[in-house]
Amino acid sequence: DARVTQTPRHKVTEMGQEVTMRCQPILGHNTVFWYRQTMMQGLELLAYFRNRAPLDDSGMPKDRFSAEMPDATLATLKIQPSEPRDSAVYFCASGPTPTNQPQHFGDGTRLSIL
Amino acid sequence: GQQLNQSPQSMFIQEGEDVSMNCTSSSIFNTWLWYKQDPGEGPVLLIALYKAGELTSNGRLTAQFGITRKDSFLNISASIPSDVGIYFCAGQVFNGTSGTYKYIFGTGTRLKVLA
Repeated sequence: DARVTQTPRHKVTEMGQEVTMRCQPILGHNTVFWYRQTMMQGLELLAYFRNRAPLDDSGMPKDRFSAEMPDATLATLKIQPSEPRDSAVYFCASGPTPTNQPQHFGDGTRLSIL
Repeated sequence: GQQLNQSPQSMFIQEGEDVSMNCTSSSIFNTWLWYKQDPGEGPVLLIALYKAGELTSNGRLTAQFGITRKDSFLNISASIPSDVGIYFCAGQVFNGTSGTYKYIFGTGTRLKVLA
């Protein structure tokens, strides 16, 4: 079965460091979502793209977070500088056209900021 | 903003028992999805519902799209130990500005099955 691939699976770093998380969407899916999961807030949508163009990033702290899709096979989520409160599991999901079809999740990047 | 209230938050059940959980909202949704998440993994799609009143099954799982379009239900029959996990509902909303869809997720129901 085709899967969304996320790297790294785990990341531990000190506060202030830059963190880059990568996502390879399912081939042919043109909608990509970034979520953050914490115990307190559950699954929060950070940003999403269609055909590599950002459509909505209102859920993302703009001062330190940025999301891009350099090409159709790679989406990135960057945090600079990172803070302890950014510790969470970050999920990428991709969906086919039309965009109201269900999205499929990767296995996440577990991020710990010390 | 739109919120999904999912209940129960957690439940312990005996193997073989049936399980019911639901999601409710004050907003209307056009699509409902149900996902299951195992520890250390991403959510996996179980069932998608596209029409009010729709009842859809996937093995021992049955989900329904509420007739008011403000709620959805998931039932698991004859639970087994591998049903353990967190179950999420998600409702689809339409962004008229961008012309795109996104999903709002419930807070999850944590299921534990006692053998």
